[in-house]
Amino acid sequence: QVQLQESGPGLVKPSETLSLTCTVSGYSISSGYYWGWIRQPPGEGLEWIGSIYHSGSTYYNPSLKSRVTISVDTSMNQFSLKLRSVTAADSAVYYCARVGTNYYFDYWGLGTPVTVSS
Amino acid sequence: QSVLTQPPSVSGAPGQRVTISCTGSSSNIGAGYDVHWYQQLPGTAPKVLIYGNSNRPSGVPDRFSGSKSGTSASLAITGLQAEDEGDYYCQSYDSSLSGDWVFGGGTKLTVL
Repeated sequence: QVQLQESGPGLVKPSETLSLTCTVSGYSISSGYYWGWIRQPPGEGLEWIGSIYHSGSTYYNPSLKSRVTISVDTSMNQFSLKLRSVTAADSAVYYCARVGTNYYFDYWGLGTPVTVSS
Repeated sequence: QSVLTQPPSVSGAPGQRVTISCTGSSSNIGAGYDVHWYQQLPGTAPKVLIYGNSNRPSGVPDRFSGSKSGTSASLAITGLQAEDEGDYYCQSYDSSLSGDWVFGGGTKLTVL
């Protein structure tokens, strides 16, 4: 069974960089598929942040592209998110997920809440 | 403003049938990209309900069904149950500058 687990600081100061890691178990990232990050601000809907292919090719939401970097570490079976210059508007629950065939998110992590505040 | 448009809320009594619409455009649903549906129960992560327009993952009851036509898609829930109350999101792929993976704004289902 594929499982994903997000980890990282729950509190980030404004203007700093939000860094999260997604650890995958039950499947080797290097075997294939895209892997993605999605966020959900409090009381709002889902927003796709970006996706990375197992080979390292990246795809970002145009609205966040200038501030986002997603990377993959196949040796650790992890992929990571960095979001620079954060503001309160970046406070959200951040989910990592696997992108199955047909481009849908078939396995999700439980999500990790991140608050941007001084 | 989401790329895919859903009604903010729908409601129905137990046992009834409700539908949730998802309207896109020629760069996503209308371009032939599949539509997928997720259920998010309170305090939990989203879970895929329908993939590839009309396919149910194992374990999803056949009370849930999906369809797609033109630039729109629909999720139908029959035999409404109290445990169906939550938020529902459609998702597709977009070939324009709006981004690659796109979600609808979500629909809150209330079981009366």
